[in-house]
Amino acid sequence: QVQLQQSGPGLVKPSQTLSLTCAISGDSVSSNSAAWNWIRQSPSRGLEWLGRTYYRSRWSNDYAVSVKSRITIKADTSKNQFSLQLNSVTPEDTAVYYCVRDRGCSSTRKCLYMDVWGKGTTVTVSS
Amino acid sequence: DIQMTQSPSSLSASVGHRVTITCQASQDISNYLNWYQQKPGKAPKLLIYDASNLETGVPSRFSGSGSGTDFTFTISSLQPEDIATYFCQHYDNLPLTFGGGTKVEIK
Repeated sequence: QVQLQQSGPGLVKPSQTLSLTCAISGDSVSSNSAAWNWIRQSPSRGLEWLGRTYYRSRWSNDYAVSVKSRITIKADTSKNQFSLQLNSVTPEDTAVYYCVRDRGCSSTRKCLYMDVWGKGTTVTVSS
Repeated sequence: DIQMTQSPSSLSASVGHRVTITCQASQDISNYLNWYQQKPGKAPKLLIYDASNLETGVPSRFSGSGSGTDFTFTISSLQPEDIATYFCQHYDNLPLTFGGGTKVEIK
């Protein structure tokens, strides 16, 4: 079955860059139907979608406006993984971060099903 | 952004009783709505997709209905293992947004 294994530091200093990686097993980051998302959760903001990367003949990304100036999500096909970089972090970026697969669907209709989640990484922004 | 309003924020019910959670979207989202279950310390789990379709392997006591702006999630007979927080999430457009969650407890 598909599994997502997250890695990265749990403590980041203010103004620095948060970097997390999500290794995929059982699926391909280059899948033509799936999309690969980052979502975070905090008591103050709830579940917040941050962005995604996906391959449909070419690579595309979508980002939440709230983080668009600071975020990069990249796929690494050689390692079958994708990553999150969030620059210039503040304590407001303290949250549990999840990598998530949207399995998509085979038809042309609109669909988005986040069916596989990583275990989550608790990231604290503090000096 | 589409706002998703869930109610109640928490509820307590007896084992075997019916539980109903509502989710209202700030605009018409057709049936582009999913429901998730999150147990403490765990990631959310997809239960219902496209408002009313049961994800493979999910017990049939879980169901969903609705379209447009008003949606309902039901547990027909609450079981002890259903203690969790439940979230709705739309995907009509970006950004994807989630409801605030409903925490379900046993009375």
